[in-house]
Amino acid sequence: AQKITQTQPGMFVQEKEAVTLDCTYDTSDQSYGLFWYKQPSSGEMIFLIYQGSYDEQNATEGRYSLNFQKARKSANLVISASQLGDSAMYFCAMREVSRSGTYKYIFGTGTRLKVLA
Amino acid sequence: ETGVTQTPRHLVMGMTNKKSLKCEQHLGHNAMYWYKQSAKKPLELMFVYSLEERVENNSVPSRFSPECPNSSHLFLHLHTLQPEDSALYLCASSQVGRTGAHEQYFGPGTRLTVT
Repeated sequence: AQKITQTQPGMFVQEKEAVTLDCTYDTSDQSYGLFWYKQPSSGEMIFLIYQGSYDEQNATEGRYSLNFQKARKSANLVISASQLGDSAMYFCAMREVSRSGTYKYIFGTGTRLKVLA
Repeated sequence: ETGVTQTPRHLVMGMTNKKSLKCEQHLGHNAMYWYKQSAKKPLELMFVYSLEERVENNSVPSRFSPECPNSSHLFLHLHTLQPEDSALYLCASSQVGRTGAHEQYFGPGTRLTVT
């Protein structure tokens, strides 16, 4: 079973509007972390935002916010006031503790976002 | 240099060649990772080094051989690869500790083509 599910392979949004990228996760751990990364066409993965499983408030970083609904196991990314430079692949990821005691990061299949002028 | 760098950015190799990918992190982190990114597949974790010790090896074929000589450098040695090994290989680093997000910082990747 997939641990990170991103059901939207592609999304369009008009410039200056907000967009929500969906992510659901599956874990039996009590302590875990959730991340969003952006991957432009250049290939580099860029860290955007983090939410810890014990954090009570939703994380925000500038125009990015993470809508964390623990009971639903969802961690959607909201981008406000979209810009043309936001066009990229977006990956949701989860950090768990592996059997060896180190951190293990699991990524979803990504959502390709296209911002329209 | 800042962040995480990878060389070469592009590599074309035959199935009988031997080559190495290099990764260097300038962030003072204590963990480094190799990932494989193929089209339409989730990012696949290949190897994890924490404090220069290999702690994860996700059933990667032996034709991929990692090396971590110190906390700043990570190599991926390649030999007798197959065409299905063609992919983007990403290196990442993070700071492993008791507190913090432990987010990963990625390099730009090496686009590998096996002919």
